[in-house]
Amino acid sequence: TQLLEQSPQFLSIQEGENLTVYCNSSSVFSSLQWYRQEPGEGPVLLVTVVTGGEVKKLKRLTFQFGDARKDSSLHITAAQPGDTGLYLCAGATSGTYKYIFGTGTRLKVLA
Amino acid sequence: ETGVTQSPTHLIKTRGQQVTLRCSSQSGHNTVSWYQQALGQGPQFIFQYYREEENGRGNFPPRFSGLQFPNYSSELNVNALELDDSALYLCASSLAGLAGSTEQYFGPGTRLTVT
Repeated sequence: TQLLEQSPQFLSIQEGENLTVYCNSSSVFSSLQWYRQEPGEGPVLLVTVVTGGEVKKLKRLTFQFGDARKDSSLHITAAQPGDTGLYLCAGATSGTYKYIFGTGTRLKVLA
Repeated sequence: ETGVTQSPTHLIKTRGQQVTLRCSSQSGHNTVSWYQQALGQGPQFIFQYYREEENGRGNFPPRFSGLQFPNYSSELNVNALELDDSALYLCASSLAGLAGSTEQYFGPGTRLTVT
């Protein structure tokens, strides 16, 4: 069974701090996505990474895909209250469009 | 907004009943995936439909079934509802078959409560 484990599960930080969320698996993924989800809503796609070692930046968010395509990280610089939400990673294996979701990291940024 | 719509927004059913949830995919997308998200957890893959046929299934019993229509909209049907079926049901649309394009876009979900 493919599993994606995220850490930490919960994170509460002050506005302006930096943080990193990790997504780890023993499986190799052909692509990996990061989402943010707010209560009562569907996940919103933030980024897709497909190449081992790839780094993508989206304003204050930096996403990295591991060289072996088994893990990924999301780094947020100078967090803001608007970053609060559930962050999910999801991986797809080659030849399928089925996505396996991680367990999620619930982030709260305090003003 | 992703352009993916779901109906209804909320639904309350009694154990043993049947329910149908609906999803309209984003314009141009030919693939719809359904997920179940229990409170406090990540979404769990139920199944995927591509060009009106099931194209993969997660670890869900046969009482979870689906359809995809020629316009690529989709339905999720759940028979003999159980209390544990209470969850947010999400559909996601994507364009399969285009090299490098595996991105999926989620609708807002249907919150199902089984009492």
